[in-house]
Amino acid sequence: QKEVEQNSGPLSVPEGAIASLNCTYSDRVSQSFFWYRQYSGKSPELIMSIYSNGDKEDGRFTAQLNKASQYVSLLIRDSQPSDSATYLCAVNEDSNYQLIWGAGTKLIIKP
Amino acid sequence: DTGVSQDPRHKITKRGQNVTFRCDPISEHNRLYWYRQTLGQGPEFLTYFQNEAQLEKSRLLSDRFSAERPKGSFSTLEIQRTEQGDSAMYLCASSLTSSDEQFFGPGTRLTVL
Repeated sequence: QKEVEQNSGPLSVPEGAIASLNCTYSDRVSQSFFWYRQYSGKSPELIMSIYSNGDKEDGRFTAQLNKASQYVSLLIRDSQPSDSATYLCAVNEDSNYQLIWGAGTKLIIKP
Repeated sequence: DTGVSQDPRHKITKRGQNVTFRCDPISEHNRLYWYRQTLGQGPEFLTYFQNEAQLEKSRLLSDRFSAERPKGSFSTLEIQRTEQGDSAMYLCASSLTSSDEQFFGPGTRLTVL
């Protein structure tokens, strides 16, 4: 069974520091990787997508993908209290419409 | 607002009643997905449409669940004879055929009493 694993947290990070969120996946053929942010009671919001090994930066967010080790991570620089949320990792095979989701990591940014 | 919309946002019903939820995708998106999410879990895939064709429905939770997208635009998800275990957030997402980035609507929170 295909799985996506995340530490449930909570992960507590001081304001202004770097938050590092990790995700591992079981299916070696996975091709597409996504990070979503979800505030309590709200729906998931797409933050980053990454398809190739290495780093992809977008503002304060950097996604890192290592297919050989089957992990994907999200770094949030200069963390703000508004970044406090649950971060969901999702994985997709190239030919498969269905996203496989982790249960999410709860991130708390302390002022 | 050109994002995904869902209606209603909240639904409270009694056990045994039927409920129907509506999703309007982003206008140029021809793929539409339904998910269910319970507290502390990631979204759970239910079904998927490309235009009006329902390409995957084996993950619908039981035969009480059905979905339609009759004209390839909006979609409805119906739950018949609701049970307390159906209480959850029901999420709709849409995407372009050329991309697998899925964008979510605000969700419909169902409470079955």
